[in-house]
Amino acid sequence: KNQVEQSPQSLIILEGKNCTLQCNYTVSPFSNLRWYKQDTGRGPVSLTIMTFSENTKSNGRYTATLDADTKQSSLHITASQLSDSASYICVVRGGTAGTALIFGKGTTLSVSS
Amino acid sequence: DTGVSQDPRHKITKRGQNVTFRCDPISEHNRLYWYRQTLGQGPEFLTYFQNEAQLEKSRLLSDRFSAERPKGSFSTLEIQRTEQGDSAMYLCASSRSQGAVDYEQYFGPGTRLTVT
Repeated sequence: KNQVEQSPQSLIILEGKNCTLQCNYTVSPFSNLRWYKQDTGRGPVSLTIMTFSENTKSNGRYTATLDADTKQSSLHITASQLSDSASYICVVRGGTAGTALIFGKGTTLSVSS
Repeated sequence: DTGVSQDPRHKITKRGQNVTFRCDPISEHNRLYWYRQTLGQGPEFLTYFQNEAQLEKSRLLSDRFSAERPKGSFSTLEIQRTEQGDSAMYLCASSRSQGAVDYEQYFGPGTRLTVT
């Protein structure tokens, strides 16, 4: 069964600290993996898209890694800010059909001052 | 604002009533997607359009749900005889498409439906 599992479910960190969110997937075939940031009550916003051949991709203070062999990805946030408080969703595309996007449940990050 | 827009942002309705949501995609995007998201869960795919053609529907889309995109621009999602289990955030996304190339999906702000 195609699944995307994220950990931890929630995380609280102090402003300025770094954190790493995890994503494990069993989606096959694999096309690409995306990380989205979703603020409360808003639609998701894309942070990164990674294909099979990409190991690391950065977007400002966000760095995503992908290990296609172990089917694991991580999202590292550096020097966290209060505005980073949101849900971070890992999404794996397993084909070209509309149903091929498999969403994780997300990790809820709270950054406190 | 040239992003994806959705209307209304919030809808409260009584069980058994019909509701209709609208999505206006980014103008040059020919693909349009509908998702449903319940609290604490990731979005779940409902259906998508390539121009005006509805190419795929999830098994989550029961007979009470219908979506249209008559002119290949905006889309509507109608839920008939709403049930409390329909309470969720309904998200719309749009993207370009060119063959098998997977372009980024841009999401709208969502419509929050509450069925009482």
